[in-house]
Amino acid sequence: KQEVTQIPAALSVPEGENLVLNCSFTDSAIYNLQWFRQDPGKGLTSLLLIQSSQREQTSGRLNASLDKSSGRSTLYIAASQPGDSATYLCAPADNKLTFGGGTRVLVKP
Amino acid sequence: SAVISQKPSRDICQRGTSLTIQCQVDSQVTMMFWYRQQPGQSLTLIATANQGSEATYESGFVIDKFPISRPNLTFSTLTVSNMSPEDSSIYLCSVEAGQGRYEQYFGPGTRLTVT
Repeated sequence: KQEVTQIPAALSVPEGENLVLNCSFTDSAIYNLQWFRQDPGKGLTSLLLIQSSQREQTSGRLNASLDKSSGRSTLYIAASQPGDSATYLCAPADNKLTFGGGTRVLVKP
Repeated sequence: SAVISQKPSRDICQRGTSLTIQCQVDSQVTMMFWYRQQPGQSLTLIATANQGSEATYESGFVIDKFPISRPNLTFSTLTVSNMSPEDSSIYLCSVEAGQGRYEQYFGPGTRLTVT
């Protein structure tokens, strides 16, 4: 059974700092991994999808890396902004998505 | 990508009643999923709904409590039956799309409060 851990559980930074969010998973037999953003009381927005054959994926200020053999993925957010405040969820996919507990991010102006 | 809508967006229901949540997607998809997010928790998969077949339920979820319909490739419903306060959660549907990338897209969710 896949288990997903996200560290830290919460993060508070001043605007402009870079963010590093960590995700670890126990079963490396995945075919991709997605990072999502969730605003309070809302649905999930897909940020990045990394295929199992890829090592990283970039979109604007976001960069996600994947080390499948060690069961780790990291989401980097450069030059954080108050609008980046949200909960970030990682979800590796085997025959289904399994979600971590999320990292709650607060970016202070 | 896929654009997904859900109805209702929120509801307050009395215990013992049932609520049906609708999920509509703007394109035809094979795989649709229903998730539950309890207060302060992450998402848990309830079931996978494929058109033309019975839904596949995850451990801990049963059809009598969460019946699902999937009448066509753009629509699904989830019913929460005989509700109790423990069913108070956000219920989300998602679809798998993305031209073989197996990328999932989520609806905005239905916030259910059971009193």
